[in-house]
Amino acid sequence: DGGITQSPKYLFRKEGQNVTLSCEQNLNHDAMYWYRQDPGQGLRLIYYSQIVNDFQKGDIAEGYSVSREKKESFPLTVTSAQKNPTAFYLCASRPQRGGETQYFGPGTRLLVL
Amino acid sequence: GNSVTQMEGPVTLSEEAFLTINCTYTATGYPSLFWYVQYPGEGLQLLLKATKADDKGSNKGFEATYRKETTSFHLEKGSVQVSDSAVYFCALSNSGNTPLVFGKGTRLSVIA
Repeated sequence: DGGITQSPKYLFRKEGQNVTLSCEQNLNHDAMYWYRQDPGQGLRLIYYSQIVNDFQKGDIAEGYSVSREKKESFPLTVTSAQKNPTAFYLCASRPQRGGETQYFGPGTRLLVL
Repeated sequence: GNSVTQMEGPVTLSEEAFLTINCTYTATGYPSLFWYVQYPGEGLQLLLKATKADDKGSNKGFEATYRKETTSFHLEKGSVQVSDSAVYFCALSNSGNTPLVFGKGTRLSVIA
C-alpha cells in the first residue's frame, strides 16, 4: 500500500542529545514537510522540501535540521539547540501540482527524559 | 498573505445534533480549500476538499461549499456521532510550490 511512514512512534531524548525522526513515502511525491504540534495547538511548519537536495525553513526551524538526499526520505534531526522539543511531530507529502491533497504520516511523539 | 481563520473550540454537541464549524480565508487568486480531521494520537486525514468556487466537497456525511463571495468554507454535518469527536482543521493551497496554510483547528466533542 502507498503511504507515509514515520518512525519511531515514541522517541525519548536525553539532555544534550540529538535525535533523528524518520519519514518515508512511497507515493512518488515531490514535496515533503515537517510540522510540530504542541498539546491542544495547531500545526507549525518546521522545514519543507520541494525537490531532492533542496529544502527551506518554515516558521520554527531553529534547533532543527533536515536532509533530502532521496525523493522518498526526509529525516528530521532535533538538535540539542532545541530547548523545548517535547511535541508531536508530523511529516507530510504531496505532489507539486497545485490543488493537490497533502498526505500525513501517523506522527512521532518526542519526549524529553 | 494567505491565512485561514476558523472558529475556536472546543465545541461540545449531543449525538445527532447539527454541526457547523466556520472557516474563512484570505488569499490572492483562486486557492483550493481543504478540511482535515485528526483523531487522538494520529496524523491528519483529508476529510474533503474543493478546488474552485461553488464546488461542494463531501465525505462521511460532512459537507463544505467553497464560497468565493464570502471567502468561506464552512464545515457542516446534519447529525453528528460520538465517533466524530476529533480536531478539525481548515486549510488552503494557493499553488503547488508553497505549503498548505492551516487554521488553528477546532476540537469537537460529541456526547451520547
